[in-house]
Amino acid sequence: EVQLVQSGAEVKKPGESLKISCKASGYSFSNYWIGWVRQMPGKGLEWMGIIYPGDSDTKYRPSFRGQVTISADKSIDTAYLQWSSLEASDTAMYYCARQSSGYLQPFDYWGHGTLVTVTS
Amino acid sequence: EIVLTQSPGTLSLSPGETATLSCRASQGVSSNLLAWYQQTPGQAPRLLIYGASSRATGIPDRFSGSGSGTDFTLTISRLEPEDFVVYYCQQYRSPPSTFGQGTKLEI
Repeated sequence: EVQLVQSGAEVKKPGESLKISCKASGYSFSNYWIGWVRQMPGKGLEWMGIIYPGDSDTKYRPSFRGQVTISADKSIDTAYLQWSSLEASDTAMYYCARQSSGYLQPFDYWGHGTLVTVTS
Repeated sequence: EIVLTQSPGTLSLSPGETATLSCRASQGVSSNLLAWYQQTPGQAPRLLIYGASSRATGIPDRFSGSGSGTDFTLTISRLEPEDFVVYYCQQYRSPPSTFGQGTKLEI
């Protein structure tokens, strides 16, 4: 059974750094693109970027490039999303999701989400 | 970047009726690389339709997708109470992928 288990909710202050995780199981982690999707409070879904754990090839939405870093450790089947300096506008639910087999594919499995709250 | 516009923003119907949700793209979505997702409050999205018209695993045949090019439709027949949630379309023609703003289906 494919599962994506995300790390727990975080409360951080502006300017702090953060790295959230997404642990995959039930499939060959290295061979599927995995992505991150932001959902701000009461809003819709925003595609942030994807990574191919096999070779760490990464694609970002232009508005997120330089604002976040997507990475993966295939030795422990885990993907990450990190910030070096959080802002209040980063407050959102963040979902990791697996693309079905191939490069241009929809997200077929989703994590439960990690709520990030940035407040002073 | 392809912009997806969903309409209507909110659709009011009753159980047993048929819902028709629209997703229009700012440019052609080649190979019909368009998906539909359902999101229940407090839960992650669930894939319903991919390739514009193929149902994902376990999705009942009450859900159907159609369309090509720039105009796509999600049709939900025989509405059940649990269908009254939010639906998103997504194009995955090339990165960056984009989502529509969502349609809320309400009773």
